[in-house]
Amino acid sequence: NAGVTQTPKFQVLKTGQSMTLQCAQDMNHEYMSWYRQDPGMGLRLIHYSVGAGITDQGEVPNGYNVSRSTTEDFPLRLLSAAPSQTSVYFCASTPGMGNYGYTFGSGTRLTVV
Amino acid sequence: AQSVTQPDIHITVSEGASLELRCNYSYGATPYLFWYVQSPGQGLQLLLKYFSGDTLVQGIKGFEAEFKRSQSSFNLRKPSVHWSDAAEYFCAVGVDSWGKLQFGAGTQVVVTP
Repeated sequence: NAGVTQTPKFQVLKTGQSMTLQCAQDMNHEYMSWYRQDPGMGLRLIHYSVGAGITDQGEVPNGYNVSRSTTEDFPLRLLSAAPSQTSVYFCASTPGMGNYGYTFGSGTRLTVV
Repeated sequence: AQSVTQPDIHITVSEGASLELRCNYSYGATPYLFWYVQSPGQGLQLLLKYFSGDTLVQGIKGFEAEFKRSQSSFNLRKPSVHWSDAAEYFCAVGVDSWGKLQFGAGTQVVVTP
């Protein structure tokens, strides 16, 4: 059971480039989320999904797009990378809200130069 | 406004000594409460969670946390720390039925011999 798998682990982008961060889970979890982690700020929610075809914005959605065509996958797209998007990105999933807690992936460290 | 506060950015503790990490939240109702641990270069691992019932909850790795409604607190404790407990610890609150988590800024724990 792989849990939550994120790829790539590291990425360097030039300003203006686009890319997709991949996230896949094999636990049949309905809820999935993307967070970014910056020093001294904890984790901040970018986008989340409560099931295939249903997504919504979190606290810091600007510059990011998501879609959820299957239960397993929840990719995060950066359309035009900016240095302010340099961060560590985490994908997480949970069976549903309540007394479950989220399972996190190991993260993608993104640097935009 | 809703918030999660971890007052201590950095704590240094001797191996074998006790540890207490503070977490305060500001919400209208009793939320779902979580503590996560992040080892260097790793994702987040769930230590314990509180939803309702007994206000003292036990988690993995010998950690426990106590929910105090009157103080809006959910402090994490361990009676005797091990060098492997050196990590960053995050308190998180589940704020709605859509599965959104709000994180504190984290507390970095250093364990000295």
